[in-house]
Amino acid sequence: AQSVTQLGSHVSVSEGALVLLRCNYSSSVPPYLFWYVQYPNQGLQLLLKYTSAATLVKGINGFEAEFKKSETSFHLTKPSAHMSDAAEYFCAVSDLSGGYNKLIFGAGTRLAVHP
Amino acid sequence: EPEVTQTPSHQVTQMGQEVILRCVPISNHLYFYWYRQILGQKVEFLVSFYNNEISEKSEIFDDQFSVERPDGSNFTLKIRSTKLEDSAMYFCASSGGQGALSDQPQHFGDGTRLSIL
Repeated sequence: AQSVTQLGSHVSVSEGALVLLRCNYSSSVPPYLFWYVQYPNQGLQLLLKYTSAATLVKGINGFEAEFKKSETSFHLTKPSAHMSDAAEYFCAVSDLSGGYNKLIFGAGTRLAVHP
Repeated sequence: EPEVTQTPSHQVTQMGQEVILRCVPISNHLYFYWYRQILGQKVEFLVSFYNNEISEKSEIFDDQFSVERPDGSNFTLKIRSTKLEDSAMYFCASSGGQGALSDQPQHFGDGTRLSIL
């Protein structure tokens, strides 16, 4: 069965610093992977997705993620953090074991950005 | 950009009462989902719905839960007799019908916060 582990429930960076949010997955088949962001009192917004094309995926708001099969990882990065990036970030893997698509989410990482 | 909309944003209900959470998926989407997030826990899959029937459900989705698409636009989640442990944020999502099913991203609403007293 598919699963997702996000290392670090809280990450704090300074404005302008590199953002690195870690995600490792477990999947018995080639995975489809997603990163979602949740701003306070809002729903889940898709940042980017990996669907077996390019291993480096670019998303919205300057975020990107690299799929590394050998490490079963799909870490999210942004070269320079902005105050508006403060939010909770969820990594998810698509589970088709039931014949239909459902998302299996990690526990989430709350990103704080300090001036 | 089209959005998934959910109403109400916050629902407070007495234990044992029925509650209906409402969602309007993106209009040309064919696949619909409900997820929930108990405070401090992961987002969990509840149920998926396609072609007017449940396509998959989780262990959480027991006989107290039901879903319906009563017309061409709404998608509802009903909890028949609420329990304290049903308190959570409930998210509706929808995904498109073209291309490989697995790579279609799911678009989420802002959620309904359900509080059971």
